[in-house]
Amino acid sequence: AQSVTQLGSHVSVSEGALVLLRCNYSSSVPPYLFWYVQYPNQGLQLLLKYTSAATLVKGINGFEAEFKKSETSFHLTKPSAHMSDAAEYFCAVSGNNAGNMLTFGGGTRLMVKP
Amino acid sequence: DTEVTQTPKHLVMGMTNKKSLKCEQHMGHRAMYWYKQKAKKPPELMFVYSYEKLSINESVPSRFSPECPNSSLLNLHLHALQPEDSALYLCASSQTPWEFYEQYFGPGTRLTVT
Repeated sequence: AQSVTQLGSHVSVSEGALVLLRCNYSSSVPPYLFWYVQYPNQGLQLLLKYTSAATLVKGINGFEAEFKKSETSFHLTKPSAHMSDAAEYFCAVSGNNAGNMLTFGGGTRLMVKP
Repeated sequence: DTEVTQTPKHLVMGMTNKKSLKCEQHMGHRAMYWYKQKAKKPPELMFVYSYEKLSINESVPSRFSPECPNSSLLNLHLHALQPEDSALYLCASSQTPWEFYEQYFGPGTRLTVT
């Protein structure tokens, strides 16, 4: 079975500060990992994905994430937060099952202060 | 075009009504999904269609009935719903059912059961 834990259901940063959203996974096989963002009253948008090609993955809107097998982590970072980054962020894992079932973490709400 | 569309955006229905949610994608994807999302929670998988065949039903009550008329369309028929079924219903699609491929989400239908 696989699972995802997102540490911190709420994260608050100042505009221009570093964004760090934490994600740890549990999987019995090499995982595929995803970060999605959800703005209020909208669907989920893919930020980036890890599929074993490179451990540092760059995504949209200046976000990137690093896969660390030894720490079973896939933390999301952005060097400088913008007000428009305020949203809910979900880390998800898939792998070793039929039907491409995503297992989501509980989500982290990012708040950006002016 | 990486868009998944969903109609209607909002739906209010009584417990004795019958209604349908519609999802459409024109990306040539062969896997489509229905998720239910309650407020401040991650999406929960309901159904997976793989090559127009139902491949996964996550023990969803029979008052929810999915249908995949063709490779571009996915419907969710609703009947005799309960107030606790009020939620955001998200449709997603991916290139194939395999876990390597990311899922593209629609904007969702906000359902309220009165």
